[in-house]
Amino acid sequence: GQSLEQPSEVTAVEGAIVQINCTYQTSGFYGLSWYQQHDGGAPTFLSYNGLDGLEETGRFSSFLSRSDSYGYLLLQELQMKDSASYFCAVNRAGTALIFGKGTTLSVSS
Amino acid sequence: EPEVTQTPSHQVTQMGQEVILRCVPISNHLYFYWYRQILGQKVEFLVSFYNNEISEKSEIFDDQFSVERPDGSNFTLKIRSTKLEDSAMYFCASSGGGSGANVLTFGAGSRLTVL
Repeated sequence: GQSLEQPSEVTAVEGAIVQINCTYQTSGFYGLSWYQQHDGGAPTFLSYNGLDGLEETGRFSSFLSRSDSYGYLLLQELQMKDSASYFCAVNRAGTALIFGKGTTLSVSS
Repeated sequence: EPEVTQTPSHQVTQMGQEVILRCVPISNHLYFYWYRQILGQKVEFLVSFYNNEISEKSEIFDDQFSVERPDGSNFTLKIRSTKLEDSAMYFCASSGGGSGANVLTFGAGSRLTVL
């Protein structure tokens, strides 16, 4: 089977930087994805790491270390609108995306 | 921007009734998925569909569930005899081929309430 672990909740203030960690155990690992979900709405794609290292997309960055079965999502210059749930998900070759339990990020002013 | 469309947005049904949830994936996408999310919990994989057949299904996707792509645009999830525990938000998603297969675009969801 597969398992993903991420913190259930994170709190931060506007303008801060927050890191959401994700560790995984799975066979056939292909890559790690991150999705954002506001208030039970549609999960939306944030980033994908197929190779080790850092991927940067504006205020958001994502990192993967295959040898450590570990990744993180880094959110910089936090804004109130970043309050949402963030899910890491494993991509496995030829199979569907499997999501972690999600991290609820609360950003306060 | 292309989007995945789901109907209905909310359906209330009695236990034991059949429910069909409908999805229109992005037109040039090749892979189609159904996921569900019980309130406050994680997004759970149900089934994936490629080349007009199921490519993978989870243990949740038992004989009560079926999927169909009746024409070139619609993708449906049928629950034959609903149970209370089927109450959840059901998300349809699609992805393209090649490197696009790694990026799922989700619809806004269909909230199913079973009484």
